[in-house]
Amino acid sequence: AQSVTQPDIHITVSEGASLELRCNYSYGATPYLFWYVQSPGQGLQLLLKYFSGDTLVQGIKGFEAEFKRSQSSFNLRKPSVHWSDAAEYFCAVGARGNTPLVFGKGTRLSVIA
Amino acid sequence: ETGVTQTPRHLVMGMTNKKSLKCEQHLGHNAMYWYKQSAKKPLELMFVYNFKEQTENNSVPSRFSPECPNSSHLFLHLHTLQPEDSALYLCASSQTTDTQYFGPGTRLTVL
Repeated sequence: AQSVTQPDIHITVSEGASLELRCNYSYGATPYLFWYVQSPGQGLQLLLKYFSGDTLVQGIKGFEAEFKRSQSSFNLRKPSVHWSDAAEYFCAVGARGNTPLVFGKGTRLSVIA
Repeated sequence: ETGVTQTPRHLVMGMTNKKSLKCEQHLGHNAMYWYKQSAKKPLELMFVYNFKEQTENNSVPSRFSPECPNSSHLFLHLHTLQPEDSALYLCASSQTTDTQYFGPGTRLTVL
C-alpha cells in the first residue's frame, strides 16, 4: 500500500539555522514526489517536485530536496531558515496520470529568534 | 496563487441548513479534487473528477454531494451536516502531470 511517513510532527529551529524535514515513502510504481507548505488557515502551496532526472531538486523560497531511491526518502532542506518559513509542511507521493496523491501527516515548523 | 479560487472562505451553518462550496480553476486543468482537512488529522481525499467524470469517491457520506458541471468548476453541496464535519475544505486541480494546485480553502463550522 502506498504511504508517506513524516516522522517529525513538530520541529523548532532558530532563525538562520539550517533545516531538514524528513519524508519516507512506500510506493509500488515509480514515484512522483512533492513538498507542499501550508500557512495557518490557507491552502497548500507547492514548494518543489521530483519526477525524474537530477535527484537534487530546487524549489521556491530557497528550499531543496533530495530523492534517495535506496532509502525511499525525499528530505526537504533549507540552509538558513527565516521566521516566515514557520508553517506546516507536507510530503506527498503520486504516479503518472491523474491518480490521487498520498500525503504525509505533515510536520509543523516553528522558528524562534 | 489565484489559479484556484474557492468561495466562500468561511462558512458557518446549522445542522439543518443546505449550503454549497464553490471551486474554480483558471489553469486549464482536467482534474479537480475535494479534500477535507480536520485538526490533528491527515489530509483526506474526498472526491476526484477527471474530465467532469467522478473517478473517486473515498467513502464520503451522502450528506456531501459533489458536482462538476465543467472542467473549470467544482461544487460541494452540503446538507444535514454534523459538527464533526467542521473542517477546512480544500479544492485542488491538476493536469496529467499530477502536480496538484490548491485553493485557499473554505473554513466550515457546523453548529
